Amino acid sequence: QKEVEQDPGPLSVPEGAIVSLNCTYSNSAFQYFMWYRQYSRKGPELLMYTYSSGNKEDGRFTAQVDKSSKYISLFIRDSQPSDSATYLCAMSALFGNEKLTFGTGTRLTIIP
Amino acid sequence: AAGVIQSPRHLIKEKRETATLKCYPIPRHDTVYWYQQGPGQDPQFLISFYEKMQSDKGSIPDRFSAQQFSDYHSELNMSSLELGDSALYFCASSLGLDDPGTQYFGPGTRLLVL
Repeated sequence: QKEVEQDPGPLSVPEGAIVSLNCTYSNSAFQYFMWYRQYSRKGPELLMYTYSSGNKEDGRFTAQVDKSSKYISLFIRDSQPSDSATYLCAMSALFGNEKLTFGTGTRLTIIP
Repeated sequence: AAGVIQSPRHLIKEKRETATLKCYPIPRHDTVYWYQQGPGQDPQFLISFYEKMQSDKGSIPDRFSAQQFSDYHSELNMSSLELGDSALYFCASSLGLDDPGTQYFGPGTRLLVL
C-alpha cells in the first residue's frame, strides 16, 4: 500500500465549477503538505504548501489539511480551462527539507 | 523569476550507454533533489544534496551516481543504461531549512533508452 493515496481520476467538470481534489496518507511523520500542478510533459509547478491543520487560501485555491484524519484537500473555485492539468499532492516529514512523497496525481479537465 | 534549469531537455541513448544529466538550481538555493517519473506515474525520489553533501537517498540504482558541485549545480550520472531507465528526470531545488516545504521543479530531462 502506498503511503499517499490519491484518486487518479480522470475528473471532468464544467467551467466555473468548484473542484475538490483529495489525498489520504498513512505516515504520521508527514508534516508538510504541498499541491503541485503538472501540465503534460512539463515539470510540477508548486501551487500551495502548508504545515498545519486548517485552511490556507491563495486566490482561487484553498488547501485544507486534517492531520487527525490524515486527509488533505485542494479546492479550486471558478475553475478555468487553463486549470486542466494533473494535480499531485506531495508530503514530507520533519523539517521539510526532506524528500517528497507524491500521490499518483489526479488528471483534471475543465470543460468550456 | 529565475527557475531551475535542466539540461539536456531530451536525450536518446542506447542500452548499456552512459548519460549525464545536469541541474542548475535557483540562485541561493542550497538543496537539490532528483526525481524519476515513469509514464503515468508519480515522481519517485532518487537522491538529494544539501550544501554539496548527500543528504538523503531513495530508490536510486547502484548504476546511478550524483554529486553537487561548489556552485551548487548537480549532475546525475547514469551508466549501463537499461530500457527501464526511460523516464522523465526532474531536478528540484529549495532553500532547505530556511523555507521548508517548498521544492521548485525544473522542466525535466526526458531520457529515452533504445
